Amino acid sequence: GNSVTQMEGPVTLSEEAFLTINCTYTATGYPSLFWYVQYPGEGLQLLLKATKADDKGSNKGFEATYRKETTSFHLEKGSVQVSDSAVYFCALMGDFGNEKLTFGTGTRLTIIP
Amino acid sequence: DTAVSQTPKYLVTQMGNDKSIKCEQNLGHDTMYWYKQDSKKFLKIMFSYNNKELIINETVPNRFSPKSPDKAHLNLHINSLELGDSAVYFCASSPRDREKLFFGSGTQLSVL
Repeated sequence: GNSVTQMEGPVTLSEEAFLTINCTYTATGYPSLFWYVQYPGEGLQLLLKATKADDKGSNKGFEATYRKETTSFHLEKGSVQVSDSAVYFCALMGDFGNEKLTFGTGTRLTIIP
Repeated sequence: DTAVSQTPKYLVTQMGNDKSIKCEQNLGHDTMYWYKQDSKKFLKIMFSYNNKELIINETVPNRFSPKSPDKAHLNLHINSLELGDSAVYFCASSPRDREKLFFGSGTQLSVL
């Protein structure tokens, strides 16, 4: 079955540091890949997505590139802010119709001023 | 306007009680979901409905019963609550392609 493995947290960084949160996946075919973000006390929101190999999703300074050869979709940001503190979830959806989103276990990110 | 709203936000109850959580979306989406998030933030799908029809029913105790009176509402009823049911329950909806989910802000259930 489909699965997502993401870097265990928590991750603590100083403001303006470079961020990488690793995500790898297992799936047959050509899944779509996503990063969702959950701010404190809120539900998850879609941050970015990529639907085919070599696509780059980007939003709010975050980027992730769909790498089929390494089955990865690592999240990066060049300079993090305190407001980026949240829990980040990597997810995938298979390409066989009626599929559900499969989420990773989430990575808690804390940015200190 | 809140896109996906669920009530109540907090629910504290005794073991053995029966409780309901309500969810409504005003996005015109056909598909709605219930997810359970445990204390370690692990998110697990419980149910999904498409246009009032159950399409995903994960391995969930039958004490949990979803009900969709129309495609804008998906309620979750839980019978005989147990300590292990304590979690945050999220309702979500999605358009036809089911790739982008819109989540409610969650219901924190505490069973004492």
